[in-house]
Amino acid sequence: QKEVEQDPGPLSVPEGAIVSLNCTYSNSAFQYFMWYRQYSRKGPELLMYTYSSGNKEDGRFTAQVDKSSKYISLFIRDSQPSDSATYLCAMSAGSNDYKLSFGAGTTVTVRA
Amino acid sequence: NAGVTQTPKFRVLKTGQSMTLLCAQDMNHEYMYWYRQDPGMGLRLIHYSVGEGTTAKGEVPDGYNVSRLKKQNFLLGLESAAPSQTSVYFCASRPGPGELFFGEGSRLTVL
Repeated sequence: QKEVEQDPGPLSVPEGAIVSLNCTYSNSAFQYFMWYRQYSRKGPELLMYTYSSGNKEDGRFTAQVDKSSKYISLFIRDSQPSDSATYLCAMSAGSNDYKLSFGAGTTVTVRA
Repeated sequence: NAGVTQTPKFRVLKTGQSMTLLCAQDMNHEYMYWYRQDPGMGLRLIHYSVGEGTTAKGEVPDGYNVSRLKKQNFLLGLESAAPSQTSVYFCASRPGPGELFFGEGSRLTVL
C-alpha cells in the first residue's frame, strides 16, 4: 500500500464548477500538507501549504486537512480553463523533514 | 532569476550508454532533490542532498549516482542506461522547511 493515495482521475468539469480533489494517507506523523499544480510539460509549483488540521483559503482555492481521518482535500471554486492541470498532494512529518511523500496526481480538465 | 535549471531538456539514449543530467539553482538553497515521474506513479525520489558534499538515497536509487560538489549544482548520472529508466526527471531545491522549487524537467528515452 502506498503511503499517500490519490485518485488519478481524469476529472473533467464545465467552467464555473467546483472541483474537489482529495488524498488519503497512512502515516499519522504527517503534519505538513501541500498541494502542487503541474501544467503539461512543466515542473510542479506550490499552490497551497497547510500545517496540521483545519482549513486554509487563498482566492478560489481552499485546502482542508482532517488528521483524524488522514484525509486532505483541495477545492477550486468557479473553475476556469486555466485551472486545467495535474494536481499533486504532498506531505511531510516535520518542517525539517528532508523528504516529501507525493500522491500520484489527479489530472483535471475544465471545459470552456 | 532563473530558479532551478535542468540540462538537457531532452535526450535519447541507447541501452548501455551513460549520461549526466545537470541541475543548477541560483537561490542558495541547501537541499536539492532528483525525482522521476512516470504515468500513474507520481513523483518518486531518486537521491537527495542536504548540503554541499552530501548525498543520500531516496526510494528508487538503483542505477543512478549523484554528486553535489558545489552548493548550486546537483548532478544525476546514469552509468548504463536501461529502458526502465525512460522517464521525466525533475530536479528540485528548497531552503530548508517549506516549498520545493522544481525545474522544468528532463525527458529521457532509452531505446
